[in-house]
Amino acid sequence: DFQMTQSPSSLSASVGDRVTISCRTSESISTYLSWYQQKPGKAPKLLVYAASSLQSGVPSRFSGSGSGTDFTLTISSLQPDDFATYYCQQSYKSSWTFGQGTKVEIK
Amino acid sequence: QVQLQESGPGLVKPSETLSLTCTVSGGSISTYYWTWIRQPPGKGLEWIGYIYYSGATNYIPSLQSQITISVDTSKNQFSLHMRSVTAADTAMYYCARAHSTGYSLGALDIWGHGTMVTVSS
Repeated sequence: DFQMTQSPSSLSASVGDRVTISCRTSESISTYLSWYQQKPGKAPKLLVYAASSLQSGVPSRFSGSGSGTDFTLTISSLQPDDFATYYCQQSYKSSWTFGQGTKVEIK
Repeated sequence: QVQLQESGPGLVKPSETLSLTCTVSGGSISTYYWTWIRQPPGKGLEWIGYIYYSGATNYIPSLQSQITISVDTSKNQFSLHMRSVTAADTAMYYCARAHSTGYSLGALDIWGHGTMVTVSS
């Protein structure tokens, strides 16, 4: 059974901190991995696609890396607008799946 | 600028059929995968399935026997029909556009605002 594990489920950080979120899959998905940001009451917003390509209009403090089974979303310097929940999503398998989400909260 | 808008009833009775429509404006419905995603209150995102403008579909296995996604290219709309719903199908339902080629395949770049559907008698 294909598994997708996102960690941590939540984290507390301060403005200016470097934040990393991990997404791991049980089998290789090449680079068919996207990252989304969701704020309360809003639809998710695409941040990164193809594991490391920044969506147009997304601030450069966001970056994605990885291939195969291990992926990372990094926020280089956390800003007040970045407090939200983040999801990874794979589209390599025929049945697309999202990670469980990571809630980034203010410390 | 392409925009998506979900429409449909906010309340559905148990065992009945949930029907939602997503209207695509500002662009053509061709070329992309047109996708449904849902999110139960306080929980994470669940991909439901997609349809290509040609009519080809792909559904999540757990709902495959229960759902149909269709497209009406003349109206620039696609729809979700979910049969025999239960309280577990209560969720915010989103439609979204997904890239259909290359390494960006599956990236959901445009989303509707979402529509809340409650299953209750």
